[in-house]
Amino acid sequence: GESVGLHLPTLSVQEGDNSIINCAYSNSASDYFIWYKQESGKGPQFIIDIRSNMDKRQGQRVTVLLNKTVKHLSLQIAATQPGDSAVYFCAERAGANNLFFGTGTRLTVIP
Amino acid sequence: IAGITQAPTSQILAAGRRMTLRCTQDMRHNAMYWYRQDLGLGLRLIHYSNTAGTTGKGEVPDGYSVSRANTDDFPLTLASAVPSQTSVYFCASSDSPAVSNGYTFGSGTRLTVV
Repeated sequence: GESVGLHLPTLSVQEGDNSIINCAYSNSASDYFIWYKQESGKGPQFIIDIRSNMDKRQGQRVTVLLNKTVKHLSLQIAATQPGDSAVYFCAERAGANNLFFGTGTRLTVIP
Repeated sequence: IAGITQAPTSQILAAGRRMTLRCTQDMRHNAMYWYRQDLGLGLRLIHYSNTAGTTGKGEVPDGYSVSRANTDDFPLTLASAVPSQTSVYFCASSDSPAVSNGYTFGSGTRLTVV
């Protein structure tokens, strides 16, 4: 089966600093990747996505980088704010009609 | 506000009882999904439906059934609940089975089987 994992289960950053959350995937056939944010007691919320024909994509304060050579995905959050505290998941699509999710990284922003 | 509505938000259920978790979307999305979320295991797919009238099994389908009588509704039924089904259940939808724009998730149902 698919394997989507995260290098660090927890990450603490100072407010205002940049955050980088990493994700490794195992299926080289995966062609679409998504980052989700999940706040306590809520469902996952779409943040940003990237297709395999791209290396980088930017959103508002967030950037996703894709390195297909080493099958690595990262989410960069600029000027991290307390409202960014949540669990972040990466997900991949590898031909099947659904997504496979990693177990998540908990980001804690220290005021 | 367009999105997915799940009900109930939480439930304590006696083992052996039957329970249906409700999911309704108003985005006219073709595909819908049920996931369970357990600490340390992430989100695991239970069942999915690519379009009204069709369903398929996901990674952990045993003990669960679904139906898709129309586009908007995708109920999940536990025929005879067991404690291992204690989890948070999320319903999701996407505009197409190809998942070209990710999923929209509901707020979840927290189920405790005792």
